[in-house]
Formats: sequence, C-alpha cells, structure tokens
Amino acid sequence: AQSVTQLGSHVSVSEGALVLLRCNYSSSVPPYLFWYVQYPNQGLQLLLKYTTGATLVKGINGFEAEFKKSETSFHLTKPSAHMSDAAEYFCAVSDRYGNKLVFGAGTILRVKS
Amino acid sequence: GAVVSQHPSRVICKSGTSVKIECRSLDFQATTMFWYRQFPKQSLMLMATSNEGSKATYEQGVEKDKFLINHASLTLSTLTVTSAHPEDSSFYICSARPGRASLNIQYFGAGTRLSVL
Repeated sequence: AQSVTQLGSHVSVSEGALVLLRCNYSSSVPPYLFWYVQYPNQGLQLLLKYTTGATLVKGINGFEAEFKKSETSFHLTKPSAHMSDAAEYFCAVSDRYGNKLVFGAGTILRVKS
Repeated sequence: GAVVSQHPSRVICKSGTSVKIECRSLDFQATTMFWYRQFPKQSLMLMATSNEGSKATYEQGVEKDKFLINHASLTLSTLTVTSAHPEDSSFYICSARPGRASLNIQYFGAGTRLSVL
C-alpha cells in the first residue's frame, strides 16, 4: 500500500522568500512521485515528477523537488516565492504503471507581499 | 498542453435525483480515465478507473451501482451519481491518461462540486 503525508496544511511565506513544502511517502514498491498545483476553480496541473534517474527534479515555474529514498521524502522547493505561486499543492505517489495516484491532503501556500 | 474538460463545474440537486458529470479529453485520446472524490480538507480519493470500451474498476468501498461510470469513447467518460443523497455532496474530479507513451501522467479536469439538498 502507498500513502503520502504532507506536513502543514497551510504555509505562508513572504514574496521573494524560499518556499518549502514537505512531502513524505510510504511505498512497498519503487515509487513514482508527483507534485501537482491547483489554482482556484481549476484542475490539477502537473508541476514535476520523479520516476527514475536523477533525484533532483526540476519542474515548471521554477519549482524543484528532490527524491530522498533514505528519508522517504520528496519536498518541493522554490528559491523565491512569487505572488502567483499562491495555490494549493498536492504531493502524490504511484506505482511504476501509474495506475493509481495516491494523494496527500494538500498544502495551501499563501504568499504575502 | 493536454486539456481535460469537466462539466458541469457545479451542480445542485434534490435528494433522490441522478446527476451526470462529463469528462472530456479535448486534444488527446485517453485510453484510461480516472474519477476522484475530494472531501473538504482531505485528499483526493480514487473512486474508479475506466478504460475505453470496458467496465470500470471500482476501488474498495465505492458502490458501483451508485456511481455509474461509462467510458464509451476515447475522449469521453461520464460519472452518474444515482439517487443522490446529501452524503454524496462532494467535489468530484476526473483525470485522463494518454496512451502508453505517457503511462504515468494524468491530466485533470477542473472538478465538479455536487451539492445534494
């Protein structure tokens, strides 16, 4: 079975500050890991994904995440927050076939001016 | 990029009626579509997986007779909530997966908020 824990349902940062959204996973098989972003009244948009290979993954809008097997983590970071980054972020895990995405509860990111 | 359209975005219905939600992949063919349900402040939970031309596979605890899924074409899947009750009120989200080349990528619709009175 797979599961995802996102630490912090709400994160608030100042514009220009580092963004760090935490995600830990549990998986009995090698995981595929994803970060999705959801803006109000919109669908989930894929930010980035890890499947195999390089553990530091770069995504859209300046976000990146690092897969750390020893820590079972896949934290999302961005060096400098922008107002447009305010949204809800979901971490998800699947098996290699992508048949079933298991989501975390989501983290709402607020960016203060 | 790949676009998934979900309609309606919001629906309010009376208890006992049935509601149909449509999920369309606009610019790609989706061999597989997924239906999720999201309760307030909770994760998206997979309800069922539908493959074009075959019966949907439901997750444990999801009533297949209550949540009817049809995937009649490579671009359209529908979810019908039959005899809806207030406890069915929720946010329903669909996703679509292109063919084998993108086996592990799902593209999501904007969701449908169902309120049953």
